[in-house]
Amino acid sequence: KQEVTQIPAALSVPEGENLVLNCSFTDSAIYNLQWFRQDPGKGLTSLLLIQSSQREQTSGRLNASLDKSSGRSTLYIAASQPGDSATYLCASASNYQLIWGAGTKLIIKP
Amino acid sequence: DVKVTQSSRYLVKRTGEKVFLECVQDMDHENMFWYRQDPGLGLRLIYFSYDVKMKEKGDIPEGYSVSREKKERFSLILESASTNQTSMYLCASSLRAGGVTDTQYFGPGTRLTVL
Repeated sequence: KQEVTQIPAALSVPEGENLVLNCSFTDSAIYNLQWFRQDPGKGLTSLLLIQSSQREQTSGRLNASLDKSSGRSTLYIAASQPGDSATYLCASASNYQLIWGAGTKLIIKP
Repeated sequence: DVKVTQSSRYLVKRTGEKVFLECVQDMDHENMFWYRQDPGLGLRLIYFSYDVKMKEKGDIPEGYSVSREKKERFSLILESASTNQTSMYLCASSLRAGGVTDTQYFGPGTRLTVL
């Protein structure tokens, strides 16, 4: 059964730094890999979706990569800002279901 | 923009009560989902629906039922609320029928407390 892991559970960095969030999955037979952002007490906002045939997707300061052979996806955030503070979740899509990681809580210190 | 709304942001109910959580989406999406989110456990799928009057069990359907009488509305029902159902409930929708692999759009969530 697919398992999705996000390490670390929390991360604190100074404003302006570039950073990488990690997502690993055990079964490489996925349809796509999705990254979401969740602000405290709120729902989730979709950030990026990488199809299984793609290696990366970019949106503004965000870049997500996918390496199915190693079971890894990364979310790269350039020039971090305090407004990037949130919990970031990844989810793998396979067999008509999304399997979710528990998230990484990111704090950007001004 | 897709908008997914949920009937309540916060709800407090007593053990044994019947609880209705409603979700409405305005983008004519085929698929709708109900998740619960608990600290350290991530999101877990309760039920999903890919068409009106159709429903499929997710990972944790016990103690819950759902109703989809209209395309835009998906209701989650707790037949007899218990304290272990205290959680954040998230509704989502996605465009294409038949699968859950499309981008999902989420509502703001309902934080349910069962006393």
